[in-house]
Amino acid sequence: GQQLNQSPQSMFIQEGEDVSMNCTSSSIFNTWLWYKQDPGEGPVLLIALYKAGELTSNGRLTAQFGITRKDSFLNISASIPSDVGIYFCAGQPTDSWGKLQFGAGTQVVVTP
Amino acid sequence: GAGVSQSPSNKVTEKGKDVELRCDPISGHTALYWYRQSLGQGLEFLIYFQGNSAPDKSGLPSDRFSAERTGGSVSTLTIQRTQQEDSAVYLCASSLVDGYYEQYFGPGTRLTVT
Repeated sequence: GQQLNQSPQSMFIQEGEDVSMNCTSSSIFNTWLWYKQDPGEGPVLLIALYKAGELTSNGRLTAQFGITRKDSFLNISASIPSDVGIYFCAGQPTDSWGKLQFGAGTQVVVTP
Repeated sequence: GAGVSQSPSNKVTEKGKDVELRCDPISGHTALYWYRQSLGQGLEFLIYFQGNSAPDKSGLPSDRFSAERTGGSVSTLTIQRTQQEDSAVYLCASSLVDGYYEQYFGPGTRLTVT
């Protein structure tokens, strides 16, 4: 089962707005990953974070590995229609080699 | 280069039948993972293969589920005596080396048990 809390569950935004979502865990993680999934497709890796406090950007996407190692956020700036999809956080617990834990996902809907 | 491929893309089967799902990882990736995604849910870990070591089967939900990986490459997930609750999308992922956490996913197999 899932042990990550991802919020919000869904977001309805207008094109051009910024989007922010986050994940929290009761466990310490070594790694945080953010994925995007389009309908009928597998998740696509967006950003990988490996160090506490790390802030990484990928185009209009920015993600941070929380200082406590128990949380991470993803921001999307100036949203466009193709940002529509489900965004998942995933974390690698310190005591669970090789196995990622996934959040339940954030559904993003962008309206023109 | 080629990504992770899975087949079939869709499978409809009758309750009680056995099914086999196939995954071809990215060439050169030594670690391979299977996940299950139920409708509107996140991903549930099933099993993890790394190199020639014994797989981590801790996520398999019952003894009806099994998986093997031949030659360190292609993997097959088998579900015996399928039940309706097995209906889900089964996703395969691979990563470059053991412990390298960036996993790359295939498109999944949508399994429907009627």
